Amino acid sequence: DAKTTQPPSMDCAEGRAANLPCNHSTISGNEYVYWYRQIHSQGPQYIIHGLKNNETNEMASLIITEDRKSSTLILPHATLRDTAVYYCIVRVVGTNAGKSTFGDGTTLTVKP
Amino acid sequence: DARVTQTPRDKVTEMGQEVTMRCQPILGHNTVFWYRQTMMQGLELLAYFRNRAPLDDSGMPKDRFSAEMPDATLATLKIQPSEPRDSAVYFCASAPAGVETQYFGPGTRLLVL
Repeated sequence: DAKTTQPPSMDCAEGRAANLPCNHSTISGNEYVYWYRQIHSQGPQYIIHGLKNNETNEMASLIITEDRKSSTLILPHATLRDTAVYYCIVRVVGTNAGKSTFGDGTTLTVKP
Repeated sequence: DARVTQTPRDKVTEMGQEVTMRCQPILGHNTVFWYRQTMMQGLELLAYFRNRAPLDDSGMPKDRFSAEMPDATLATLKIQPSEPRDSAVYFCASAPAGVETQYFGPGTRLLVL
C-alpha cells in the first residue's frame, strides 16, 4: 500500500470549515483513499473513502485531485467534538493485501 | 447499531502472566484485524484474519503472541508471557466481505507491571 504524508497538526475555529490535506504521490491506480479519525481514548472511526471522484457523506467531503496524488478531507462546519487525530490511508479494495499503515495522522484542534 | 465489542476494557497484570483479549466482530463481517497502539509506535497492525483464516501476522512477536478465531463470532489475542513493553491499547476491527472499511472496537487497555 502507498504511503501518505499529513501535517502533524492543524487548528480550526468552531463553525468554520476544516480542510485536512493528505499527500499520496505514489498511489496506484487501484488504490482507494480512506479517512479515519480517532477521538481521544476511542477506537478509530471510519469517515469516508474514494477512488477518483469527489465524495460526500453526512460527516465530510473528500476532494481528490485529478492526478490522485493528493486529497483533502473537508469538515464543512467543524464543532468541538471534531477535535481528533485524522488519518489518511490508501489501500487496494477486495484483495488479500490487508495491511493498513495508519501513519501519525493530523491532530485537528477545533477552538471556540 | 452493530458494533465491535472487546473484553476486557482494562487489564492490569504482572510481568510473566498470560493475558487473553477477546473481540466480537460485527455479525456478518468476514475480516478481523488486531492492532496495537502506543505513544511511541502509533497504530500498528499485528495480525488479520479473513473467513477465520490467518492471512498475515507478520506484525506480531511470534514467541509470545498468538491470535486465533475459534469461530466467526470470536477472535482472541493472547500474550504469554507478558512483558512491560506489551503495555498498550489493543484494538480489534472488523470489515465486511469485499469492502475495506474497518469498524473498530473500543480497545483493551493493557498495563503490564
